[in-house]
Amino acid sequence: DGGITQSPKYLFRKEGQNVTLSCEQNLNHDAMYWYRQDPGQGLRLIYYSQIVNDFQKGDIAEGYSVSREKKESFPLTVTSAQKNPTAFYLCASTVAGLEENYGYTFGSGTRLTVV
Amino acid sequence: QKEVEQNSGPLSVPEGAIASLNCTYSDRGSQSFFWYRQYSGKSPELIMFIYSNGDKEDGRFTAQLNKASQYVSLLIRDSQPSDSATYLCAIRLDTGRRALTFGSGTRLQVQP
Repeated sequence: DGGITQSPKYLFRKEGQNVTLSCEQNLNHDAMYWYRQDPGQGLRLIYYSQIVNDFQKGDIAEGYSVSREKKESFPLTVTSAQKNPTAFYLCASTVAGLEENYGYTFGSGTRLTVV
Repeated sequence: QKEVEQNSGPLSVPEGAIASLNCTYSDRGSQSFFWYRQYSGKSPELIMFIYSNGDKEDGRFTAQLNKASQYVSLLIRDSQPSDSATYLCAIRLDTGRRALTFGSGTRLQVQP
């Protein structure tokens, strides 16, 4: 079955540590997105990529970094510069230009906690 | 002003009633409008989207769009306890970014 796989499901980070969240899709979608969700809040855009080897900052990119070396993969690194990283992280994908035909598919999320 | 505004709720309706969820947006360049359902601790699930003024029906769900008033709503007919969740409204601007901008969601409680 096609879909988006996020791993790990739960992640604990120590102060000053960088951690990487994985997002892999087998839908052949070209556009991928990272969102952050805090309790009782909507989703906020961190980074997005519409093509391999290209990505753009979203609304809250500070303290995060991404790469897009393969079409199916869009990992997110939460760096030590991100002062309040505890949140629910969601990866999504779609076909750029055909969003209403394909919709935006979400992964099951990674819950990151600072310990 | 937030780009997408929703009443946080909770909105409480009895089983079998119609639930009406509302969303307003600020950017007139908004191209299409999506409704997602999110159960606690889970990822959002697409209910439906709409991009033309008027109504769009899909089973028990009806989306209504009024671009002049910058208003989009979701009606859920014959509400069931399993519909209890947070409903997220999202808009897509017709810009290069093509990402969704989300409201903070409305929590719906359907009472048995």
